[in-house]
Amino acid sequence: EAQVTQNPRYLITVTGKKLTVTCSQNMNHEYMSWYRQDPGLGLRQIYYSMNVEVTDKGDVPEGYKVSRKEKRNFPLILESPSPNQTSLYFCASRDRGRQETQYFGPGTRLLVL
Amino acid sequence: QKEVEQNSGPLSVPEGAIASLNCTYSDRGSQSFFWYRQYSGKSPELIMFIYSNGDKEDGRFTAQLNKASQYVSLLIRDSQPSDSATYLCAVDNHMRFGAGTRLTVKP
Repeated sequence: EAQVTQNPRYLITVTGKKLTVTCSQNMNHEYMSWYRQDPGLGLRQIYYSMNVEVTDKGDVPEGYKVSRKEKRNFPLILESPSPNQTSLYFCASRDRGRQETQYFGPGTRLLVL
Repeated sequence: QKEVEQNSGPLSVPEGAIASLNCTYSDRGSQSFFWYRQYSGKSPELIMFIYSNGDKEDGRFTAQLNKASQYVSLLIRDSQPSDSATYLCAVDNHMRFGAGTRLTVKP
């Protein structure tokens, strides 16, 4: 079954405590990305990766890091989380150049106290 | 800042009616357009995409694109209560999203 998985699905943490949200896809997709979704603001892209070792900033990259060491994995790192990073996070993957193949993961709900 | 705008709704239609959802975008050079459906608590799923001016039909869904006026719309015919969801418009290669329109279909 084609899927994008994220872990954890729910996370409560405190300001400043580093955390990583994992994302993995089994479709051999080249393109992966991270979004955050906030009420009234829709989905905003944080980072994207067009292939292994190739990453670039989206619209809201501040406070986040990513890495793409393997094609299937694209973790999102918050080195010093702050309350304004409380949000719903989605990972997505697709074939490069074929946006219509995009799949989203199930989402990670993060609360930073 | 390149923007994608949608009415937040909620849009309420009776069962069996046509629901019309609209989206405008600011970047005149945009080439690809997508409609996603998102049920409450779930992830977005792609329901339509359109690249050329005009209409594209898929079952009860029709996407309409007018690049000169910079808008894209989604029509849902014979709306069903199961269509109740938030509909997200997305534009271009890196998927810039609108805030979404919440649709409620009343039995």
